[in-house]
Amino acid sequence: EDQVTQSPEALRLQEGESSSLNCSYTVSGLRGLFWYRQDPGKGPEFLFTLYSAGEEKEKERLKATLTKKESFLHITAPKPEDSATYLCAVQERGAQKLVFGQGTRLTINP
Amino acid sequence: DVKVTQSSRYLVKRTGEKVFLECVQDMDHENMFWYRQDPGLGLRLIYFSYDVKMKEKGDIPEGYSVSREKKERFSLILESASTNQTSMYLCASRGTGRSEKLFFGSGTQLSVL
Repeated sequence: EDQVTQSPEALRLQEGESSSLNCSYTVSGLRGLFWYRQDPGKGPEFLFTLYSAGEEKEKERLKATLTKKESFLHITAPKPEDSATYLCAVQERGAQKLVFGQGTRLTINP
Repeated sequence: DVKVTQSSRYLVKRTGEKVFLECVQDMDHENMFWYRQDPGLGLRLIYFSYDVKMKEKGDIPEGYSVSREKKERFSLILESASTNQTSMYLCASRGTGRSEKLFFGSGTQLSVL
């Protein structure tokens, strides 16, 4: 059974303090790993898709990387508007559904 | 702009009531999904549909049913609502390309009293 574990559950940073969020996964064959951002009271919003180990993608202060067992979401010099819950999900080869982790709640203090 | 629209933002129902949650997408997507989201448990898949009138059970289908009579609309039905179905319900859709991303609606916060 596909499993996705995110750590830490919650993270508080000062504005400008860089850090990383972790997503460990177990899947028999990876079709894609997804990162989403979710603001309170809203649906998740797509950030990145990664397909194979070694792949990296960037968007503003965010950079996602992928290995065969985990993915990292690096946040460089974060701002308060980066505060949100970040969700990781995997899609197994041949499957339509995504399996989500529990998310990391990120708070950036000014 | 792509859109997944859920009919209600907040809903309060009584135990035993039949509840309908509606979702409409305007992207001509084949695949549609219903998830529920609970603190500490993350998003869990209830049902999904890969075509009109086609459906498959997700990880937690008990107590729910679905209907997809038209491509753009996917309904989640709680036959007899119970308090443990109080949750945030999220609808999503995606196309059929390689790992196409999920587009989510804004969610329906359902409270069953």
